[in-house]
Amino acid sequence: GAVVSQHPSWVICKSGTSVKIECRSLDFQATTMFWYRQFPKQSLMLMATSNEGSKATYEQGVEKDKFLINHASLTLSTLTVTSAHPEDSSFYICSARETGNQPQHFGDGTRLSIL
Amino acid sequence: AQSVTQLGSHVSVSEGALVLLRCNYSSSVPPYLFWYVQYPNQGLQLLLKYTSAATLVKGINGFEAEFKKSETSFHLTKPSAHMSDAAEYFCAVSDTGGNKLVFGAGTILRVKS
Repeated sequence: GAVVSQHPSWVICKSGTSVKIECRSLDFQATTMFWYRQFPKQSLMLMATSNEGSKATYEQGVEKDKFLINHASLTLSTLTVTSAHPEDSSFYICSARETGNQPQHFGDGTRLSIL
Repeated sequence: AQSVTQLGSHVSVSEGALVLLRCNYSSSVPPYLFWYVQYPNQGLQLLLKYTSAATLVKGINGFEAEFKKSETSFHLTKPSAHMSDAAEYFCAVSDTGGNKLVFGAGTILRVKS
């Protein structure tokens, strides 16, 4: 149980395009989803927290207009990297939790490469 | 503010040997502590969690961790390493079971045959 699916797993695109990443909880309802970014050989850094039906809460230093997060249903959150540039290349990982004290379950991540 | 320090970015053990990965935390509130494992190009898998119940926590794949408040530590151990244990391990702290996680820098475990 507690499976989180992230799509796509890899994406390569040209600079200036926008890229959407989906995060789905397959067998539970996720009241909260989290988006992390992981640079090579580094730890995960939380970008934002999203609650279903509410605006996402972004961490300090994360541009909300650059990284658009939508959490329109209890099983789906999307992260859109707008006008992506090479410095946005990274590994993006989502996680989801059911209720307040349940642990987060992670997706398999999306490797984003901007040329 | 909460923080996590993982001592040793790389740990190498022989197959069958004891695995010990160190984690120290800082928290102004009673912490929830987690160990996650990450295989290359994958997300994180929860190994075990401490949520203020028993101080010795048993997880999946034979791993366990002991919460020691006096030492502010939550070290991960496994009696006998297996080749499949080679991965990167992250310790994390939260103020609740599911809120914002603060991760350590990670420890890459190498298992030698």
